[in-house]
Amino acid sequence: AQTVTQSQPEMSVQEAETVTLSCTYDTSESDYYLFWYKQPPSRQMILVIRQEAYKQQNATENRFSVNFQKAAKSFSLKISDSQLGDAAMYFCAYRSPYGGGATNKLIFGTGTLLAVQP
Amino acid sequence: ETGVTQTPRHLVMGMTNKKSLKCEQHLGHNAMYWYKQSAKKPLELMFVYSLEERVENNSVPSRFSPECPNSSHLFLHLHTLQPEDSALYLCASSQDVAREQFFGPGTRLTVL
Repeated sequence: AQTVTQSQPEMSVQEAETVTLSCTYDTSESDYYLFWYKQPPSRQMILVIRQEAYKQQNATENRFSVNFQKAAKSFSLKISDSQLGDAAMYFCAYRSPYGGGATNKLIFGTGTLLAVQP
Repeated sequence: ETGVTQTPRHLVMGMTNKKSLKCEQHLGHNAMYWYKQSAKKPLELMFVYSLEERVENNSVPSRFSPECPNSSHLFLHLHTLQPEDSALYLCASSQDVAREQFFGPGTRLTVL
């Protein structure tokens, strides 16, 4: 079974600085999807960025980018030029691409709470 | 944030009460999901519905009963819950079970 591990329960970053959130996962599959979700306080979870395992190029979305190391099964999120609105719980998630139902469920890590200091 | 809505946003109930959580999606999706989010634990998938049919029941106790009357609505009926069921219950939807999921704001449930 696949597992996702986020070893940093909490992180803090100064406004305008860069922070990296780590995520590792375990799987025997060769093709899969990885996601970072953001859950602000009392607000709904939104997708920040996604990465297809078959793509070697790291995904980027504006100030958010990932460092995808497939061999190491590592998927870290880098937030550049941090803003106060980036403060949230960040979840790393894994999903298999095959079939329907159970094999397409998202497997989440325990989350990293990011604080942004003004 | 109006793509997937959930009501109520907060619910406090006793162990003998019966209540229902409602989820509605306005995105034209065919798949809907219930997740349980407890403190310091990963989100746990509870149920998956695709085209109004349940395709997964992730070993959830029978005191949680889902209902999907149509592709836009999903309910979670609750009865005789336990205090350990207190959590944030998240609904999500996707175009189909292979596509990315969009989440609702959640219902914060407290069982006394």
